[in-house]
Amino acid sequence: QKEVEQDPGPLSVPEGAIVSLNCTYSNSAFQYFMWYRQYSRKGPELLMYTYSSGNKEDGRFTAQVDKSSKYISLFIRDSQPSDSATYLCAPRGYGQNFVFGPGTRLSVLP
Amino acid sequence: EAGVTQFPSHSVIEKGQTVTLRCDPISGHDNLYWYRRVMGKEIKFLLHFVKESKQDESGMPNNRFLAERTGGTYSTLKVQPAELEDSGVYFCASSQGGAPSAKLFFGSGTQLSVL
Repeated sequence: QKEVEQDPGPLSVPEGAIVSLNCTYSNSAFQYFMWYRQYSRKGPELLMYTYSSGNKEDGRFTAQVDKSSKYISLFIRDSQPSDSATYLCAPRGYGQNFVFGPGTRLSVLP
Repeated sequence: EAGVTQFPSHSVIEKGQTVTLRCDPISGHDNLYWYRRVMGKEIKFLLHFVKESKQDESGMPNNRFLAERTGGTYSTLKVQPAELEDSGVYFCASSQGGAPSAKLFFGSGTQLSVL
């Protein structure tokens, strides 16, 4: 079993839709949960960061972590064509390096 | 403020040749990381510098890979001799601190193709 799994997509939605991106992991030592966004031919950029279980909201983006089920979600409200990118979840334990998921490709169609 | 700069952006070499990738981190960032993504796989950690010291090189695949960060500024990653399976995108990232919550800033990567 891979440490971090994501549905690779591609996921296509119409502009304005609510998008749900999900990630599961196996290592119970993970405490820090990042979501990175990667545009084509660019490096990943940090989108959201959550510590332990709970929710965090930043504008149109909401990150949720459920450590009991080892499940991470990223919700995008009122999705825009500029949100079209690959979304990578990257959990990390204290003293450990990031483990990246394979990423989910999202296309928001105008 | 300049971001993380990597060059070349693309490199095409033949099996057995040597290639050197360079990364210039954000000024003042002591922590520098190398990652790579081979085709169809996840981004994988290679190694971590704090200033000029290797903090963690557990992700380096074998001794054909050599990373340096002389003077604690820019870093190079040399592959010698290159093999077909080394093809992929090599990313460099830097951060100001090394805490688990530290924000990593990534470069755009070097696309390496070994033929």
